[in-house]
Amino acid sequence: DVKVTQSSRYLVKRTGEKVFLECVQDMDHENMFWYRQDPGLGLRLIYFSYDVKMKEKGDIPEGYSVSREKKERFSLILESASTNQTSMYLCASSPDRYLNTEAFFGQGTRLTVV
Amino acid sequence: LAKTTQPISMDSYEGQEVNITCSHNNIATNDYITWYQQFPSQGPRFIIQGYKTKVTNEVASLFIPADRKSSTLSLPRVSLSDTAVYYCLVGGVYNFNKFYFGSGTKLNVKP
Repeated sequence: DVKVTQSSRYLVKRTGEKVFLECVQDMDHENMFWYRQDPGLGLRLIYFSYDVKMKEKGDIPEGYSVSREKKERFSLILESASTNQTSMYLCASSPDRYLNTEAFFGQGTRLTVV
Repeated sequence: LAKTTQPISMDSYEGQEVNITCSHNNIATNDYITWYQQFPSQGPRFIIQGYKTKVTNEVASLFIPADRKSSTLSLPRVSLSDTAVYYCLVGGVYNFNKFYFGSGTKLNVKP
């Protein structure tokens, strides 16, 4: 089974802190994604990566950056956390950008910024 | 990217067949239609994918008419454990398989 693991289920951070959310997948997938999910808004794509050191902006990249130094790991960085970044963050991976394949999701990280 | 429209919520009873329809009027030739299921406090999970006509797997069926401007996810004989949010996605490899989710349909199955 494909496993996508997010480093924390729950996080509480202070406004202005630099926050790192880590995601690891164990199936050698090319694509990795970060979403945030808020009530009434569904899932919104923040960033995605289709290869090591490659990244593309999604719909809402402002206030976020990403890092993909190794194929299995994709990190989401909140440079200076703000209360409006309180949300559920979901990481996903998919095998290949040239195939119509499914995405596999982690369990999510519920981040609260106080 | 094709925008999708789904009902916000639906109610059903155990043992019934449930059909959730998704509208995607500006679907592109290369787009596939994919459905995901999400339970509370979990990430979405792939259910089914299709391009045209009908696709069936052990969990659901997907009906796509010839014009492909809509699709219907059919869940046979639902149980309480099928209570979840169901998302319809439209897209394909031309956009690097970026997966764009809408707000989904909240299915509430009652006993």
